[in-house]
Amino acid sequence: DAKTTQPTSMDCAEGRAANLPCNHSTISGNEYVYWYRQIHSQGPQYIIHGLKNNETNEMASLIITEDRKSSTLILPHATLRDTAVYYCIVRVANGAGSYQLTFGKGTKLSVIP
Amino acid sequence: ETGVTQTPRHLVMGMTNKKSLKCEQHLGHNAMYWYKQSAKKPLELMFVYNFKEQTENNSVPSRFSPECPNSSHLFLHLHTLQPEDSALYLCASSQSGGAGNQPQHFGDGTRLSIL
Repeated sequence: DAKTTQPTSMDCAEGRAANLPCNHSTISGNEYVYWYRQIHSQGPQYIIHGLKNNETNEMASLIITEDRKSSTLILPHATLRDTAVYYCIVRVANGAGSYQLTFGKGTKLSVIP
Repeated sequence: ETGVTQTPRHLVMGMTNKKSLKCEQHLGHNAMYWYKQSAKKPLELMFVYNFKEQTENNSVPSRFSPECPNSSHLFLHLHTLQPEDSALYLCASSQSGGAGNQPQHFGDGTRLSIL
């Protein structure tokens, strides 16, 4: 699976949009981009995933560049409860029944009142 | 509420005890996973089950013994653990088949402390 690079930490003012970048310059054509977050003492929470088109759900939007070498997770109106470590993960979707998720160090997002 | 429930949430045990961790998923998934998360370290995959069959054992010591009686339930039996086994143990599930891109959904874990 392709390696990802994320900033170690970011701050965002409450009520503003939080834009979390991820670089995956070695991504291949059949690799998806997944985003998870982990709030202290809880399990990782799935947020969103995509292949090449931009995606939006009730939690966030995922913007993938045309060359697919980077992506941005957007939380449109950050709240204090969005303070967490955010993980960008790239993995091959090859129809296998099960697969390993490899978590890196992620980005520690702090939402400031 | 993620649809994946783990019990107990916290467990303290001595090195000679035997205990079990339980995971139940209500999502209709057919793949289930055990991960270990130690302090300040990334998640480590331990075991994978697909349609109740174990498909991966990531070189886990035999003092950890998984059991998957059906696609909705997963257990991790523990015996004669070591202090370095203290960690957050996470269960996840996913739907296999199709394009293979379905995400894993995690429970909130069991915080295990070995005395």
